[in-house]
Amino acid sequence: EAGVVQSPRYKIIEKKQPVAFWCNPISGHNTLYWYRQNLGQGPELLIRYENEEAVDDSQLPKDRFSAERLKGVDSTLKIQPAELGDSAVYLCASSFITGPSGNTIYFGEGSWLTVV
Amino acid sequence: GENVEQHPSTLSVQEGDSAVIKCTYSDSASNYFPWYKQELGKRPQLIIDIRSNVGEKKDQRIAVTLNKTAKHFSLHITETQPEDSAVYFCAASNRDDKIIFGKGTRLHILP
Repeated sequence: EAGVVQSPRYKIIEKKQPVAFWCNPISGHNTLYWYRQNLGQGPELLIRYENEEAVDDSQLPKDRFSAERLKGVDSTLKIQPAELGDSAVYLCASSFITGPSGNTIYFGEGSWLTVV
Repeated sequence: GENVEQHPSTLSVQEGDSAVIKCTYSDSASNYFPWYKQELGKRPQLIIDIRSNVGEKKDQRIAVTLNKTAKHFSLHITETQPEDSAVYFCAASNRDDKIIFGKGTRLHILP
């Protein structure tokens, strides 16, 4: 079974430039997450989708970050314009929600962003 | 909202000895507690999880304990091996499935 697929794996951009990350979740998973992981820290949730609906985007910096999940499958996360502090690993994850809680989430390999 | 504290941030143990990582959480509504292992440059991978209706769970050399009253849970690795070297993250999730992670523990297994 294919896992969560992300691209690109690595991206180096100059500040103020835009960048986009793409995620393909595990087939059949209805919930998709974008996390940001800074060096030496745990993943921090940016946005969570249930199917096409963003059910939790409270941690997404909406002035420069946007995300979409068209047709409830693939998702893109965009940053425009990027700032130096956006350098991090952007992790996509997915899960299949079957009950009120306790559903295992599976991570992709991450997209490593360096803003210079 | 939920806050997860994890200790220690770095842990070095001799190969063959046991390692213990501890976490506390703040939201009494949290009822699911997964542990993830992340090797350098790799994705976080689930190694064990526990739900609030269980006090302890074991899987070969790995065990997790949960104390709901004190709101803390721990990961125990026995007979540590070189391949156990990694960063370990605890996490807590409530009914809204919002999973909050600790800051991680870097485990070094010394030869």
